[in-house]
Amino acid sequence: DTEVTQTPKHLVMGMTNKKSLKCEQHMGHRAMYWYKQKAKKPPELMFVYSYEKLSINESVPSRFSPECPNSSLLNLHLHALQPEDSALYLCASSQDVSSYEQYFGPGTRLTVT
Amino acid sequence: QKEVEQNSGPLSVPEGAIASLNCTYSDRVSQSFFWYRQYSGKSPELIMSIYSNGDKEDGRFTAQLNKASQYVSLLIRDSQPSDSATYLCAVINTGGFKTIFGAGTRLFVKA
Repeated sequence: DTEVTQTPKHLVMGMTNKKSLKCEQHMGHRAMYWYKQKAKKPPELMFVYSYEKLSINESVPSRFSPECPNSSLLNLHLHALQPEDSALYLCASSQDVSSYEQYFGPGTRLTVT
Repeated sequence: QKEVEQNSGPLSVPEGAIASLNCTYSDRVSQSFFWYRQYSGKSPELIMSIYSNGDKEDGRFTAQLNKASQYVSLLIRDSQPSDSATYLCAVINTGGFKTIFGAGTRLFVKA
């Protein structure tokens, strides 16, 4: 089973709202990732968690706040976003951070109005 | 120089032909290479991984790696219209924590 699930599938939020994106995997993977993907562009890495600890923050603005409550769950808390933050947000997981294949969830399509 | 480079395409091939997708990378000591397929509006789907020089075959797909030339390719035999998608080349960097994606090549298979 190589399934990564994400909720919600679609999200529309205003610039003053607070919302959260959720990601879950039950493959026993110890690394989880958040990516942002704009139309016709490749995924851009935002955060990497390894063994539930934040390993990489790619200089992401503080209006994005990741959280890893346990080894199966990954959240992305959103606050005071800008319209340019509208994108497809992808969660991925891999066996470990080094050298292993990443499996992506279906993504959350976010629109900021 | 971009870390991972791909021809953006579009690459158009007739049904049943071989589609050849190419990728070059700049980090000479990279060890892990991947091909993802992404349909419009969907998330990337892993189709091949390759770690050693040479060819790796899986069904209609063959990945080829040449570390000396810093080159990785994907061949799709007997191309089908359902193969029409964007193909992303990905390389794990030296530190092993980041996967760097190329911009992707759009493939169209004409029926």
